[in-house]
Amino acid sequence: DVKVTQSSRYLVKRTGEKVFLECVQDMDHENMFWYRQDPGLGLRLIYFSYDVKMKEKGDIPEGYSVSREKKERFSLILESASTNQTSMYLCASSRQVAYQPQHFGDGTRLSIL
Amino acid sequence: AQTVTQSQPEMSVQEAETVTLSCTYDTSESDYYLFWYKQPPSRQMILVIRQEAYKQQNATENRFSVNFQKAAKSFSLKISDSQLGDAAMYFCAYRSWTGNQFYFGTGTSLTVIP
Repeated sequence: DVKVTQSSRYLVKRTGEKVFLECVQDMDHENMFWYRQDPGLGLRLIYFSYDVKMKEKGDIPEGYSVSREKKERFSLILESASTNQTSMYLCASSRQVAYQPQHFGDGTRLSIL
Repeated sequence: AQTVTQSQPEMSVQEAETVTLSCTYDTSESDYYLFWYKQPPSRQMILVIRQEAYKQQNATENRFSVNFQKAAKSFSLKISDSQLGDAAMYFCAYRSWTGNQFYFGTGTSLTVIP
């Protein structure tokens, strides 16, 4: 089975801090994704990466950056955390073959105080 | 970008009964893939079922089946013999045949009443 591991289930940070969310997958997937999940808004794509060192902006990239130095690891960075970034963050990975689904991590519930 | 609409924010069903969750999408593409995902409370999102647009036959996975109407751009999920463990948020998702992105609906929260 595919395993997507997010480094923290719960995280509390302060406004202005630089925050790192880490995600690792063990199935050699080309694609990796970061989503934000808020009630009533579903999943909104922040960034995705289709290869090492490659990234593309999703629907809500403002205030975020990403890093993919190795194929298995995809990091989401909040450059200067703000309270409106309090949310559930989901990491996912997939093969580039179109019929393949995404596989998700457990999510990180991030609170910015 | 493709849009995916789930018009039922909340649904409920009696245990052992059948429920249908609706999903519509907007696309100009002819080849694509559709997925239903389940997210139980505080648990990982998992794939329930998928459908290839080029297949006319509706996908089935045990108690879960879809009603795929390509012309109407509709992709509903039917859960038969509902169980307490089916209680979850359900998301419909679209993936282009050529692209890497997935497009998700806003989700339907399903409650199963004992």
